[in-house]
Amino acid sequence: AQKVTQAQTEISVVEKEDVTLDCVYETRDTTYYLFWYKQPPSGELVFLIRRNSFDEQNEISGRYSWNFQKSTSSFNFTITASQVVDSAVYFCALSEAEFTGGGNKLTFGTGTQLKVEL
Amino acid sequence: EAGVTQFPSHSVIEKGQTVTLRCDPISGHDNLYWYRRVMGKEIKFLLHFVKESKQDESGMPNNRFLAERTGGTYSTLKVQPAELEDSGVYFCASSHPLPGSNTEAFFGQGTRLTVV
Repeated sequence: AQKVTQAQTEISVVEKEDVTLDCVYETRDTTYYLFWYKQPPSGELVFLIRRNSFDEQNEISGRYSWNFQKSTSSFNFTITASQVVDSAVYFCALSEAEFTGGGNKLTFGTGTQLKVEL
Repeated sequence: EAGVTQFPSHSVIEKGQTVTLRCDPISGHDNLYWYRRVMGKEIKFLLHFVKESKQDESGMPNNRFLAERTGGTYSTLKVQPAELEDSGVYFCASSHPLPGSNTEAFFGQGTRLTVV
């Protein structure tokens, strides 16, 4: 069975601080995908990143960076120089690699509420 | 290009009533998913359509929930009769079919269902 744990329920930071959101996963699959989604106050889930289990390179996109470590089954997300607009709930998710139909079923964590204050 | 749209955005109904949620996926997306988030908990998978066929409905809680996708376009999720524990946010997502790969799913804004 797959499981995603986001131990941080809520994080509050002051603007311009760096913040790291933790994600630990469990799976028996050798091939899988990891995701991060952002849920702003408007409610929709916004896709941020997808990472294949074979690719352990860290990724940076502007102020966002992701640290994937298979040895510790973690896929942590760091926001550098946080801004008020980063305030949202962030979800980490996992899916098995599916080679027929192109679909995927996501297993989500419980989410981390990030509050960035002035 | 229009994203995934869900209707209604909010619904408050009494226990025992029926509610139907609708999802319009992104045009051309054969994969359609329903998820649910109960207050403070994880977002849980309910089911997956490929076009009009149910590919996986292992997450449906019980037979009070009925999902349909006639014609392989929009989908409805009906709860009948609703119970208090059905309250939560129901998300719909769609993705483009790409065999041999795993594409991102685009989510709607969700329908917040409150059963009183």
